[in-house]
Order: sequence, then C-alpha cells, then structure tokens
Amino acid sequence: EDQVTQSPEALRLQEGESSSLNCSYTVSGLRGLFWYRQDPGKGPEFLFTLYSAGEEKEKERLKATLTKKESFLHITAPKPEDSATYLCAHLPTDSWGKLQFGAGTQVVVTP
Amino acid sequence: NAGVTQTPKFRVLKTGQSMTLLCAQDMNHEYMYWYRQDPGMGLRLIHYSVGEGTTAKGEVPDGYNVSRLKKQNFLLGLESAAPSQTSVYFCASSSPGEVTGELFFGEGSRLTVL
Repeated sequence: EDQVTQSPEALRLQEGESSSLNCSYTVSGLRGLFWYRQDPGKGPEFLFTLYSAGEEKEKERLKATLTKKESFLHITAPKPEDSATYLCAHLPTDSWGKLQFGAGTQVVVTP
Repeated sequence: NAGVTQTPKFRVLKTGQSMTLLCAQDMNHEYMYWYRQDPGMGLRLIHYSVGEGTTAKGEVPDGYNVSRLKKQNFLLGLESAAPSQTSVYFCASSSPGEVTGELFFGEGSRLTVL
C-alpha cells in the first residue's frame, strides 16, 4: 500500500538553527512529490514540486531535495516566521490528481 | 483576489442533523476537491470533481455527498452527522495538467458534531 511518512512529528528550533525535515514514501511509482506549508487556522499553501531523484528546488530559506525513497526539506537559518506545519504529498502513478498527504511536521522557531 | 472561499468557517451540529458546506473558487479551475484533516492523520480526500456535473469518491467518502452544479462551486453535504465527522474540512481546486500537484486550498471549515 502506498504510504507517505513524515518525521519528526514536531521540531523546535532556535532562530538561525538549521535543520531538515524528512518525507519518506513507499509507492509503486512516483509521478511527483510536493511540499506544502500550513499556518495555524489556514489551508495548506503550495511550496514545491519535485519530479525525479536528484532534483532540488529552493525558495528563500527552504530547499527541497528528492531521492528514490525520500525527500528532505532543509530549513537554513530559520526565522520565527518559518514556524508552520510542513506537509509532503505524492501523486501515485495510477492517480491523476488525488494527492496522498503525510501527517506533517510542526516546526516552531523561537527567537 | 478571493481564490477559494469556504462557508461556513465554524459549525456545531448535533448527531443526526444535516448540513452543507459550500466551496467557491474564482480561478476557473476544472478540478475541485474536499479533504478532511484530523490530528495525526494528515489530509484525506473525501470526494472530488473533474468538471461541472461530475463527482467521484475519494479515500473516505462514506457519510458524505457532493454536488458540482456550477463550475465554480462544490458542495459537501452531511445527511446525518456523526461524532466521527468532527474534523476540519478543506476545499481545494486545481487546473488540469500532466502532474496536477499544485492545489489551491480554502481556509477550512471546522465542524463539531456533538
């Protein structure tokens, strides 16, 4: 059964303390791996799409990378405004648009 | 610049009552979705639509019905609410494409069933 697992469940960082979030997937085929950010009381907001192993995408202090079995979201020198829940999702090969989401990693960045 | 708008934002129901959640999008998207989000379980797809007049079941469709009479609107109905349907519901929309992974979400509707 296709599955997306995120770790850790929660992460507390000091401002400026870089870290990485993990998204591992066990799927029969991958058509895309997606990262979203969700602020409390809001809907998820799209960040990145990764299509193939070795691909990297960057946006401000965030960088997403993809291997054959997992994806990482690196947060470099985070600021308090980076506090959010980060969700990853994949698109199975037998599905046109039905994303399968992980449970998310809640990130808190303290000043 | 509204994007995806959900109403109501909050609702409390008693077991057995019915209600409808409304989703409206102004981006002319073909695809629309209803998800529920529960602690520790991530977002799960309830129903989706690939165009006006079409609907299909997602991962957790039981106890819900949907309708897409107009392209910009997608309604989610609960005919007889149960406590297990206490959740936060998100509507989303997207454009068709080879790999449709960029969804635009509403701000959510928090439903409590007593």
